[in-house]
Formats: sequence, C-alpha cells, structure tokens
Amino acid sequence: EPEVTQTPSHQVTQMGQEVILRCVPISNHLYFYWYRQILGQKVEFLVSFYNNEISEKSEIFDDQFSVERPDGSNFTLKIRSTKLEDSAMYFCASIFGAGETQYFGPGTRLLVL
Amino acid sequence: AQKITQTQPGMFVQEKEAVTLDCTYDTSDPSYGLFWYKQPSSGEMIFLIYQGSYDQQNATEGRYSLNFQKARKSANLVISASQLGDSAMYFCAMNTGNQFYFGTGTSLTVIP
Repeated sequence: EPEVTQTPSHQVTQMGQEVILRCVPISNHLYFYWYRQILGQKVEFLVSFYNNEISEKSEIFDDQFSVERPDGSNFTLKIRSTKLEDSAMYFCASIFGAGETQYFGPGTRLLVL
Repeated sequence: AQKITQTQPGMFVQEKEAVTLDCTYDTSDPSYGLFWYKQPSSGEMIFLIYQGSYDQQNATEGRYSLNFQKARKSANLVISASQLGDSAMYFCAMNTGNQFYFGTGTSLTVIP
C-alpha cells in the first residue's frame, strides 16, 4: 500500500542552525501539507502546497519557514535559524484531491538544543 | 475561533466495551469533511474514518463508526468492542477548502 515517507525520523540541531525536513508524498497525490505537533499538544497546520506553490499557510509559518518541491517526488520543509520552541514532531501529509482523505507520514522529531 | 473541539482530555473504557469520543466543529462552509485519526505512543498518525458533510449515512469502518449529527455540528467517534491496542490519542479533524483543523485530542486508555 502506498505511503507517505519522511526523513530523517529524528533530528537534533543547535539553536540558530538550519534544518531541512524531507517528505515523499504518495505518488499520485496533488496536495501536500506540513504540520507540527509540540510534545503533548495538538497537531497544528503549517502550510499547504498545490501546483508548485503555497496555497495556504498559518500564522505559525513565518519567514523562518519555507517549502519546496525540488523534483517530482520530494517535498521539503526548511527551517532557518532554528529556535528552542521549534522542537516538535513535524508531519508531512498528502491527499489526491480536495476533500479526500489525508494520509500522514511517520513524522520527523526535531529537537533544538 | 476554534474550529474543532474535543472536550474529553482523557477517557477510560473496559476491554470489549464500546466507547464514544466527542467532537464538535464549527464552520460556515457547506462543504467539509470530518476525520478521525489515531496516534499511538509511537507517534504516527493513523487515519481511521471519514465523513463528508453531504453524506446521508453515518460512516463505518470495522469497529469504528462516526455518529454524525449535522444540526448539532457533532461528529463523535464510536469504538465498539474495545481492544487493548486501542489505547492511544484520538484526534478529530475537519477540512474546509484546502486546510485541515485538528482538535486537541482525547487520550483513550483501555483497561483489561
């Protein structure tokens, strides 16, 4: 069964460093998402991406964040100059079309020291 | 404004019993989808069940059913015949347009 994959599963970084989180959505899906979940809290929407551009973003998704689909399969989230409060689980998700079921990747657990 | 509300931070259920996890939502969009996800301690998000706003019948998937009451804007998850492996966090979510909104989750513990 096709699935969303994410790498790395865990990342530890120093405050102020840049990190890139990678996702491979399900191959025929058209909409891609990033979420974050701070430990013990709810899942928070960051950004959605369709047709090679951001379609919606939350207030969390400020200039520190950027997304890219560098080729036909990868979907990346870049966090510039990480802060302690960026420590969270980051989930990628994808759907085939609007209103369809959203499938999540296993997440990347980011720890900023 | 909070789009999805889950008022039960924690629930306990006896093994083999049924349990209902509450979810209410708020939207003015006539077209929306409602989802439930399970998040075990390992952290992954597992899709359980989906209900479209225009669906006439309540969704069912095996032991999971969604009690959709549109007028009350509620989408409760019913798990029948609870199993120990059902112990996890459960998140209700709604999508309108191109965005998904998640509730704060309910932690379910199944007692042997």
